[in-house]
Amino acid sequence: QSVPTQPPSASGTPGQRVTISCSGSSSNIGSNTVNWYQQLPGTAPKLLIYSDNQRPSGVPDRFSGSKSGTSASLAISGLQSEDEADYYCAAWDDSLSGVLFGGGTKLTVL
Amino acid sequence: EVQLVESGGGLIQPGGSLRLSCAASGFTVSSNYMTWVRQAPGKGLEWVSVIYSGGRIYYADSVKGRFTISRDNSKNTLYLEMNSLRAEDTAVYYCARVRVELSLAAFDIWGQGTMVTVSS
Repeated sequence: QSVPTQPPSASGTPGQRVTISCSGSSSNIGSNTVNWYQQLPGTAPKLLIYSDNQRPSGVPDRFSGSKSGTSASLAISGLQSEDEADYYCAAWDDSLSGVLFGGGTKLTVL
Repeated sequence: EVQLVESGGGLIQPGGSLRLSCAASGFTVSSNYMTWVRQAPGKGLEWVSVIYSGGRIYYADSVKGRFTISRDNSKNTLYLEMNSLRAEDTAVYYCARVRVELSLAAFDIWGQGTMVTVSS
């Protein structure tokens, strides 16, 4: 299995669109759905996207998810200062029988 | 209100043991899949363990044989018994509810976290 790989950092200016990638393997992203979490400084993570591209109630539609093969992406449009946070992808891994998190991406709003 | 409240963290010497608790309100622990996730200082999230509503249990390789997940239905509480603790187990430990109907990795309710520090 390959632990999902994310870029360590990303940035954008207010109003811009940014994307964060998550590259895994056939045993995790390739065969199970991807979920995304947002973690604001000093707080617990929050479920942002589930089942590849679904938003929980209350999550703005500025956030969207997609998946193709063994890779997934989180897109944030109309970037706002309050979006500055760490973002993690996560998926079940069939080989490990456990959940794998990506290493996380720190998003900075310039 | 649906919430999870962890407790039991603290400073423990290497080789020691600690039991974390996660009290749930607003839903029934035994009817849900429940999980533990940890985060070392300044690091990313690491999945630790899951217990299914039917009782099946899985652990991350890093804690297998040392940690035990369990629940007390009468107290509506989830536990994590941690033995043979190592410095690398130092982390904030979160409990969370798994929305299994969405995904095995969809954790919709999180506790506030409890800090475990393993040091002499």
